[in-house]
Amino acid sequence: GAVVSQHPSWVICKSGTSVKIECRSLDFQATTMFWYRQFPKQSLMLMATSNEGSKATYEQGVEKDKFLINHASLTLSTLTVTSAHPEDSSFYICSASLRPGTGDLLDQPQHFGDGTRLSIL
Amino acid sequence: SQQGEEDPQALSIQEGENATMNCSYKTSINNLQWYRQNSGRGLVHLILIRSNEREKHSGRLRVTLDTSKKSSSLLITASRAADTASYFCATARLTGGGNKLTFGTGTQLKVEL
Repeated sequence: GAVVSQHPSWVICKSGTSVKIECRSLDFQATTMFWYRQFPKQSLMLMATSNEGSKATYEQGVEKDKFLINHASLTLSTLTVTSAHPEDSSFYICSASLRPGTGDLLDQPQHFGDGTRLSIL
Repeated sequence: SQQGEEDPQALSIQEGENATMNCSYKTSINNLQWYRQNSGRGLVHLILIRSNEREKHSGRLRVTLDTSKKSSSLLITASRAADTASYFCATARLTGGGNKLTFGTGTQLKVEL
């Protein structure tokens, strides 16, 4: 259980293009979804926290107009990289937390998608 | 900014040996989690230890937590080639936006046959 599907897994596009990445929780309802960015051989940097039906919370230094996040349902969040440039090339990973029935929300691990490798030419 | 620092950054061992990775953090935490990442893939949750726990086991994994030293360790016993991956610690705190994780810098483990 607790499978997160991320699509597409790999995108190559020209500079100036907007790219949409989807993150779906397949077998559970996700209270919250998270978007991370990872550079080669480095750790994950949280970009934003996405709650269903409300505006995303962006981390300091992340441009909200550049990285548009929509969380329209409890099973789907999307990240759109607008007018992408070569410096936006990176590995983007989403994760989702289970909607807690019982138990502490803090004890819910995050379930990760397989990531999207974005290359802007 | 990264909260957690892990050491070593890279570790190479022979199959059957034990692998120990350490993680230090700076602020108070609710729990600490360890994740594994195979190259080019997403992360897989391994184990979670609460701030009031000192040690936890799961199969070949043993995690310790010392909140006074703000450090944790992950021990993988009897390692296998399939354990080759990057391992990250992550500290959790509850914010208005949910259960937020801050990841460490990671340890790249290579297990050789």
